[in-house]
Amino acid sequence: GAVVSQHPSWVICKSGTSVKIECRSLDFQATTMFWYRQFPKQSLMLMATSNEGSKATYEQGVEKDKFLINHASLTLSTLTVTSAHPEDSSFYICSAVELALSTDTQYFGPGTRLTVL
Amino acid sequence: QKEVEQNSGPLSVPEGAIASLNCTYSDRGSQSFFWYRQYSGKSPELIMFIYSNGDKEDGRFTAQLNKASQYVSLLIRDSQPSDSATYLCAVNTDYGGATNKLIFGTGTLLAVQP
Repeated sequence: GAVVSQHPSWVICKSGTSVKIECRSLDFQATTMFWYRQFPKQSLMLMATSNEGSKATYEQGVEKDKFLINHASLTLSTLTVTSAHPEDSSFYICSAVELALSTDTQYFGPGTRLTVL
Repeated sequence: QKEVEQNSGPLSVPEGAIASLNCTYSDRGSQSFFWYRQYSGKSPELIMFIYSNGDKEDGRFTAQLNKASQYVSLLIRDSQPSDSATYLCAVNTDYGGATNKLIFGTGTLLAVQP
């Protein structure tokens, strides 16, 4: 149980284009999903917290107009990197917290590696 | 600033030995503590969580929590080369809130030598 998927697993795009990453909880409903970014040899950096049916909460320093988050259902959250630039190249990982369990355990998706040329 | 600190390592242990990974946290009110393993180029995977003081065992893994001293550790018995990875300590500091945010340490790189 507690499987989280992400799509795509990797993407290469040109500078200035937008990229959408999907995060799905496959076998559970998620109250909350989180989006992280990880640069090489660095730890996870929380970008935003996504709650179904409400606006995402962004961490300090994360541009909400650049990283658009939509949590359309209890099993799907999307992150859109708008007008991507090479400095946005990173490993983007989502995680989800299961609704049915009264815990705060986060289950991670496999990640999406974004390369902006 | 709420912090979670780990020694970055690398921690090198011979195969079959016990690996001991440590983590300290700054927020005395923290309630939930997690250990994740992250292989190079992959996303973190949950090893175990612990909420109460003392030890919690799961197979070859034992998590230890001491809230008075604000540290949590992970012991890996009979270490295998496949255990070589970065181990991330995470602490929930948003207890009672609606977000379940975790603060992650920078991780300890474990290298198990065959």
